[in-house]
Amino acid sequence: AQKITQTQPGMFVQEKEAVTLDCTYDTSDPSYGLFWYKQPSSGEMIFLIYQGSYDQQNATEGRYPLNFQKARKSANLVISASQLGDSAMYFCAMREAQGGSEKLVFGKGTKLTVNP
Amino acid sequence: DAGVIQSPRHEVTEMGQEVTLRCKPISGHDYLFWYRQTMMRGLELLIYFNNNVPIDDSGMPEDRFSAKMPNASFSTLKIQPSEPRDSAVYFCASRSRGQETQYFGPGTRLLVL
Repeated sequence: AQKITQTQPGMFVQEKEAVTLDCTYDTSDPSYGLFWYKQPSSGEMIFLIYQGSYDQQNATEGRYPLNFQKARKSANLVISASQLGDSAMYFCAMREAQGGSEKLVFGKGTKLTVNP
Repeated sequence: DAGVIQSPRHEVTEMGQEVTLRCKPISGHDYLFWYRQTMMRGLELLIYFNNNVPIDDSGMPEDRFSAKMPNASFSTLKIQPSEPRDSAVYFCASRSRGQETQYFGPGTRLLVL
């Protein structure tokens, strides 16, 4: 079974509108971390936001609030007021703490296109 | 602060040649990771080090791949001999013990002809 599922291969949004990128995960480990990375066409991987499984509040970094629903095992990234520079691939990833592993498992990504 | 530095940024080589990719992690980071990104397999972890010691190399595809970390500020990923199916983007990332986040380098785009 896939650990990280991103069901939207591609998304389109108008500039200044909000968009939600979906991420569901599968783990039996009570302690885990969830990450979102952005990969623009230039290729670098840019860290956006982190959510720990025991965090009491949903994480927020600037224009990127995370909609973390633990019971549903989802960690959707919200991009408010989209900008043309937000056009990129977005990857959700998970690290499970069990066994002390440092391994990040990535989803297949969502390609976001922001239209002017 | 300088981020993770990788070299070369692009490498084109012929099948059978040795390829060496280099990485300088962020100063003070304890963990170093090598990832590979392909269209077919996405992003996958190859190996990671903690304090220069290899911890998990289960993602290394085969014996043609080897990685070393001789000191806290330098790591190499070597492919010998290279094959066309090794063509991919190879990322190095590092993390501090006190943080959760892995910070990625710009990647090396490898093409094996």
